[in-house]
Amino acid sequence: LAKTTQPISMDSYEGQEVNITCSHNNIATNDYITWYQQFPSQGPRFIIQGYKTKVTNEVASLFIPADRKSSTLSLPRVSLSDTAVYYCLVGEEGYNKLIFGAGTRLAVHP
Amino acid sequence: NAGVTQTPKFRILKIGQSMTLQCTQDMNHNYMYWYRQDPGMGLKLIYYSVGAGITDKGEVPNGYNVSRSTTEDFPLRLELAAPSQTSVYFCASSSFAKNTEAFFGQGTRLTVV
Repeated sequence: LAKTTQPISMDSYEGQEVNITCSHNNIATNDYITWYQQFPSQGPRFIIQGYKTKVTNEVASLFIPADRKSSTLSLPRVSLSDTAVYYCLVGEEGYNKLIFGAGTRLAVHP
Repeated sequence: NAGVTQTPKFRILKIGQSMTLQCTQDMNHNYMYWYRQDPGMGLKLIYYSVGAGITDKGEVPNGYNVSRSTTEDFPLRLELAAPSQTSVYFCASSSFAKNTEAFFGQGTRLTVV
C-alpha cells in the first residue's frame, strides 16, 4: 500500500503561486492521486484527482511526472482564504478506505 | 441535495455515558466513513462501510461501534464515553467508482467530561 510524505507546513503571501509536493514512492500501477482541502472547523473538501501528466480545474492544477512517484498540487495566486490543510491521498487507501496523513498546513499572509 | 448530514453538531457527555452520532447521506453512495480529528491533527479512520450490511474497522476502532442497515444511514455508537474520545467526528461518503470524490459532513464536536 502506498504511503505519502508531504511537508508539515508552508507559508506564502497573497498573490503568489504555491506548490505542495507529495512523495509516494510505492504507488501501484492502478493507483490514483487525490488531494483534499480542509478549512478550520470543517470537513475536508475534494480538490483534484489525477493519474498521470497534468490535470487542471477551476481550483488547482496537479502535476504528475512520468514515474508517478510524486505529485505537485499547484495553487495559482493564493489568497488569505486558501489558508487550510491540504492532504494527498494515494492508492487503495486513497479512495476505498480513505486514510488521511497529517497533511500540509498552508498559511497565506497578507 | 443535502449531501452528508451529521447530528448533533455539538454534544457534551459525562464519563461512562453512551451516545449515537447520526450520519445520513442522500447521494446513494455505497461507501461511508467515520473519522475523528483531534486538535491540530489529521483525520483518523474509525470505521467504514462498503455497502448496507457491511462494515469494517479502520485505524482507531476501539470504543466505537457502527451499523449500516440502509444505504443512507451510518450511525456511530460510543459506549462508555472516556475523555480520550473528546474530538471532532466527521462522516463521509463516496460512490463505488475509483475516480470520484468523497463528501464530508460538517462534523460533530464531542466533549467528554
